[in-house]
Amino acid sequence: GNSVTQMEGPVTLSEEAFLTINCTYTATGYPSLFWYVQYPGEGLQLLLKATKADDKGSNKGFEATYRKETTSFHLEKGSVQVSDSAVYFCALGPPNDYKLSFGAGTTVTVRA
Amino acid sequence: NAGVTQTPKFRVLKTGQSMTLLCAQDMNHEYMYWYRQDPGMGLRLIHYSVGEGTTAKGEVPDGYNVSRLKKQNFLLGLESAAPSQTSVYFCASSYGTGFSPLHFGNGTRLTVT
Repeated sequence: GNSVTQMEGPVTLSEEAFLTINCTYTATGYPSLFWYVQYPGEGLQLLLKATKADDKGSNKGFEATYRKETTSFHLEKGSVQVSDSAVYFCALGPPNDYKLSFGAGTTVTVRA
Repeated sequence: NAGVTQTPKFRVLKTGQSMTLLCAQDMNHEYMYWYRQDPGMGLRLIHYSVGEGTTAKGEVPDGYNVSRLKKQNFLLGLESAAPSQTSVYFCASSYGTGFSPLHFGNGTRLTVT
């Protein structure tokens, strides 16, 4: 079946530090991959996505590259801000399905 | 832009009580979903709907019922609440297919005592 595994948190960083959150997946076929972000007290919102191998999704300084050979979609940001404090979810969308599979979420706290 | 609106935002129930959570979307999306979010478990799909008048079970449907009488609304019902249903509930909608991102509401925090 389809599943997503992401690194456990919580992750605590200082402002301007480099952030990486690992995400690996198991799927049949060629899924789409997503990163969602949940700010405190809010619902999830799409951060970035990639729909085929070697695609790079990017938004708000965050990037993730769809690596089919390693079945990974790691999220990176070169210089985090306090406003990046949130829970980040990796998700997988099967090619012929509309139900996303979510990872457990990684809580990131950025300190000034 | 309202997007996806959930009501209520908070609720406390006693074991055995019933309630309905309401989700409304104004984006003309065909697909709607109910998820629950629990610590360390991410989001798990309870029920979903691919169109008006249709519903289907997700990963964790037991103890819940849903209805989609109008395209813009998706209701989640708890007939007899249990403490295991204490969670944060999120509604989402999308155009459909794996490429389509989900649009989420802000959640309902439910506590069952």
